[in-house]
Amino acid sequence: DAGVTQSPTHLIKTRGQHVTLRCSPISGHKSVSWYQQVLGQGPQFIFQYYEKEERGRGNFPDRFSARQFPNYSSELNVNALLLGDSALYLCASSLVGGRDQPQHFGDGTRLSIL
Amino acid sequence: GDSVTQMEGPVTLSEEAFLTINCTYTATGYPSLFWYVQYPGEGLQLLLKATKADDKGSNKGFEATYRKETTSFHLEKGSVQVSDSAVYFCALSDASGGSYIPTFGRGTSLIVHP
Repeated sequence: DAGVTQSPTHLIKTRGQHVTLRCSPISGHKSVSWYQQVLGQGPQFIFQYYEKEERGRGNFPDRFSARQFPNYSSELNVNALLLGDSALYLCASSLVGGRDQPQHFGDGTRLSIL
Repeated sequence: GDSVTQMEGPVTLSEEAFLTINCTYTATGYPSLFWYVQYPGEGLQLLLKATKADDKGSNKGFEATYRKETTSFHLEKGSVQVSDSAVYFCALSDASGGSYIPTFGRGTSLIVHP
């Protein structure tokens, strides 16, 4: 079975631009979460979606937005990019997003802002 | 808010040495606890989990016991291999506004020498 897939794998943008990152969850998984991982740190939670509804939001500015589609894939959008947005963006899926559900991670999108 | 504290790395060991990576947590509810491992250039993979007090999670020779009284979930392995070299993340999943949002520690790098 295919795992969580993310695209693109690498991306270079300049300050002020906009970016869209994409994620396809494991087949049958209905919950998708997005994380930002800065070098040397643990993943920081950005959003969680379940059945196309936002279920949780981390402490990130409104420049960050996301959505989940009927096929459970998801997009993360970031507007007005800043140098500090340079990071590895991870997508994770789980069956239903419950307390006992482990997250299944993709390999991430490496975003570099120049 | 919830938080996870891990011991600082890197932890450097010789092959076949005993490993302990300390993890303590604070949580408002009754969380599930997880250890994830991240190999270079990859996303995180679930290593083991425990969902209630005194549960022991185990996988690939690694073990961790959910200690509610000390709010700890230390990772141990009796004999490490070079292939265990990676970054290890302790995480909890706790209820927040109707969903279960994982909180990750900063990660502990493990380097195993032959």
